[in-house]
Amino acid sequence: SQKIEQNSEALNIQEGKTATLTCNYTNYSPAYLQWYRQDPGRGPVFLLLIRENEKEKRKERLKVTFDTTLKQSLFHITASQPADSATYLCALGGSGGYQKVTFGTGTKLQVIP
Amino acid sequence: DAGVIQSPRHEVTEMGQEVTLRCKPISGHNSLFWYRQTMMRGLELLIYFNNNVPIDDSGMPEDRFSAKMPNASFSTLKIQPSEPRDSAVYFCASSLSGGNQPQHFGDGTRLSIL
Repeated sequence: SQKIEQNSEALNIQEGKTATLTCNYTNYSPAYLQWYRQDPGRGPVFLLLIRENEKEKRKERLKVTFDTTLKQSLFHITASQPADSATYLCALGGSGGYQKVTFGTGTKLQVIP
Repeated sequence: DAGVIQSPRHEVTEMGQEVTLRCKPISGHNSLFWYRQTMMRGLELLIYFNNNVPIDDSGMPEDRFSAKMPNASFSTLKIQPSEPRDSAVYFCASSLSGGNQPQHFGDGTRLSIL
């Protein structure tokens, strides 16, 4: 069955460093991958999308890579700030117009001042 | 612009009662999704609609759950009868039609069944 793995343990990082979060998947051939941020008591908020034919995508301090051979996506936040502390979810989607995405369980990031 | 609006934000009710969760999607969005989030299972898709028509309800746990979308600006998720294991946060999300569109989430309904 399809499986999406994100590090279930919280990631603690010092302010100013680069945070790297991992999303691994098995038994899945996604056409695209999305990353969302979720704050306590709030719904997820979309951050970035990367397609299967793209290796890397950037948006301000965020960078996402997508390796379909390794079946892995890495999500980087450079120059991390305490305001970046949140849970980050990856979501995988299929091809065509079908819109269902499958979410990972998320990784909680804590940026320490 | 108004985002996805869900009501109520919190619901506490006794086992066996009917629960109705409501969602108003973003105007112009053709697709609407209902999710359930728990610590153990994460964010699970229950059902999704496109142009008010249910497309995939394979995630609906059982017959106690039902969802409707009578028009483009309103959807409900109903649980009848409710059970303690239904306790979770329920999210509604909307998006434009088409693959890879980002989903816009409401802030959820925290449901507790006693």
